[in-house]
Amino acid sequence: RKEVEQDPGPFNVPEGATVAFNCTYSNSASQSFFWYRQDCRKEPKLLMSVYSSGNEDGRFTAQLNRASQYISLLIRDSKLSDSATYLCVVNIWYSSASKIIFGSGTRLSIRP
Amino acid sequence: EAQVTQNPRYLITVTGKKLTVTCSQNMNHEYMSWYRQDPGLGLRQIYYSMNVEVTDKGDVPEGYKVSRKEKRNFPLILESPSPNQTSLYFCASMGGSTDTQYFGPGTRLTVL
Repeated sequence: RKEVEQDPGPFNVPEGATVAFNCTYSNSASQSFFWYRQDCRKEPKLLMSVYSSGNEDGRFTAQLNRASQYISLLIRDSKLSDSATYLCVVNIWYSSASKIIFGSGTRLSIRP
Repeated sequence: EAQVTQNPRYLITVTGKKLTVTCSQNMNHEYMSWYRQDPGLGLRQIYYSMNVEVTDKGDVPEGYKVSRKEKRNFPLILESPSPNQTSLYFCASMGGSTDTQYFGPGTRLTVL
């Protein structure tokens, strides 16, 4: 079983739709959580951090559920420019080491 | 401008010919990391460094070496490249008060 799992998609939705992704993680010691966005053949870029209290940035809302070990990303009123791959990232910190685990990504395609 | 740079961006080489991919960051970050990205597998961590002269293996270190002699640079060395190391490589740095990673633009390596 992968340590971080995402539905690979692709999700193909019309402009203006609301779309939601989930990501599950297996290590309960995971401490910090992120969503990154990656455009084709480009480097990943931070979209938002994810907190238990939930956080919102414009049309994007991220949520963490520690009990069920999943994080979610909701995109409202989707735009053509939202087409990308969304990567779920989990960080685990030990006293002298770290582990950063990426999900394999969910592809989103927004159609006009 | 805060950035992570990698060189070269594209490289085609032959099996067994030693190569180095350079990575440099200007954000005074302590943590640096190398990833490879392959279709269907997402980003996998090769090596990371939590500070100067401190390096550790990630999930897929076989066939790679790194060094961290100064804070800003973290080169990736392939002593004897093989075709299964054909991949897209990203360097990243992280520091300050957040766990946000900043990625370089990527190096596309082909080993024939």
